[in-house]
Formats: sequence, C-alpha cells, structure tokens
Amino acid sequence: DTAVSQTPKYLVTQMGNDKSIKCEQNLGHDTMYWYKQDSKKFLKIMFSYNNKELIINETVPNRFSPKSPDKAHLNLHINSLELGDSAVYFCASSQKRGYNEQFFGPGTRLTVL
Amino acid sequence: AQSVAQPEDQVNVAEGNPLTVKCTYSVSGNPYLFWYVQYPNRGLQFLLKYITGDNLVKGSYGFEAEFNKSQTSFHLKKPSALVSDSALYFCAFSFTSGTYKYIFGTGTRLKVLA
Repeated sequence: DTAVSQTPKYLVTQMGNDKSIKCEQNLGHDTMYWYKQDSKKFLKIMFSYNNKELIINETVPNRFSPKSPDKAHLNLHINSLELGDSAVYFCASSQKRGYNEQFFGPGTRLTVL
Repeated sequence: AQSVAQPEDQVNVAEGNPLTVKCTYSVSGNPYLFWYVQYPNRGLQFLLKYITGDNLVKGSYGFEAEFNKSQTSFHLKKPSALVSDSALYFCAFSFTSGTYKYIFGTGTRLKVLA
C-alpha cells in the first residue's frame, strides 16, 4: 500500500499553462506539506495544512495555490507556469507537527518548456 | 537566522569503512533534529530523529547520530558502509513551537566505493 501518493509523476508543459498536482495519504495523518526541490537538490517548504487549515505559507508566488478538500488530500494548482517553476515537487505528511517524522511521496517532476 | 548546515557536498568512503555525514545547527532553544535519505528519483525517507533524552539515537539501516549540544552538531554515522548506502542525505530541524516548520540542510551526497 502506498502511504503518500502523487499524480502525475511527470508533467511536461508549456509556459503560461495552468496545471495541478494531486497528493493523497492513507496514513491517517492530520498534517500535509508541499515542498519544492530545485535542480541543485535544495529542498524548501512551500505550504503546510493541518486538519485542512493552512498553517505555513512561505514566500511563494501567488500563482501557486494549495487546496485541501479533506485531511487525506492536498493538491497544488499552479497558474501561468514559468520556466523557473521547473523542479520536483514533493508532498509529505506527518502526524501532528514538530517532533514527528514526515512521510514523503515519490515526487512530481515538472518541466516547463 | 535559524538553520542547519551540511558542510560537505559529497563524502566518499570505501565499503566496509565507517562513515560520517556532518550536520551543525544554529537554532535557539532545543531543536528537534532529523536525518532523511533520498535515493535517486525517490522521495525522502526518514532515518532517525533526536527529540530529547539520550544523545545517541539509532535509526534505520544501521545508522546512528549523536546530538552534541556544546558543538551544536548532529552528525550521522554508520560503523560499516555499504555500496547501497550511496544516496543523498539531508539533515533537518523542526521548530518546537508555532508552525513546527522543517528547515532542511543543503544535502550531502554519499558515495560508497566498492
């Protein structure tokens, strides 16, 4: 059973398009996250939801909009894609926050042409 | 600014030798500290964490780490490296209040040579 799943695994699109990445966790966790990993492998938190409430919203362009329809799902919608958005996006989840480890999805490799 | 530092971009070690991947932190108060591993084209996997208590923590795959408050370090160690340990290793800390946000280090690529 996949604990944290993301779709799609690969996403290739043109500049200016709008795209979404979906994430689901079946671990019963109440906190979910989106991270961006750039080409140098730096990993940066973008958003976090706890019980469907947005609790972390880093300095991310407002073209990025997360949505959490329920505790098990956290989707990421990106408007007007730019070349610099090309990266690997990881979803993660944890039980509560802080001292609990996070479980990561396999990642979505986004390539903007 | 509160942060973790991984001073080595890459560590090379011969199979069977002990390995150390370094991490230092600059955090006010007592942090929660973590190590994660990332294999190619995969998500991060949790290895171990320090929350409180015994300074030596043991984790998955034979890895361990020592929390050293005076040196503000949390180095990852393994007594005998395997070729399959070759991967990207991330140190991270979590704030212990507020949003409990994670801050990751820049990662260290470990290469274990046969």
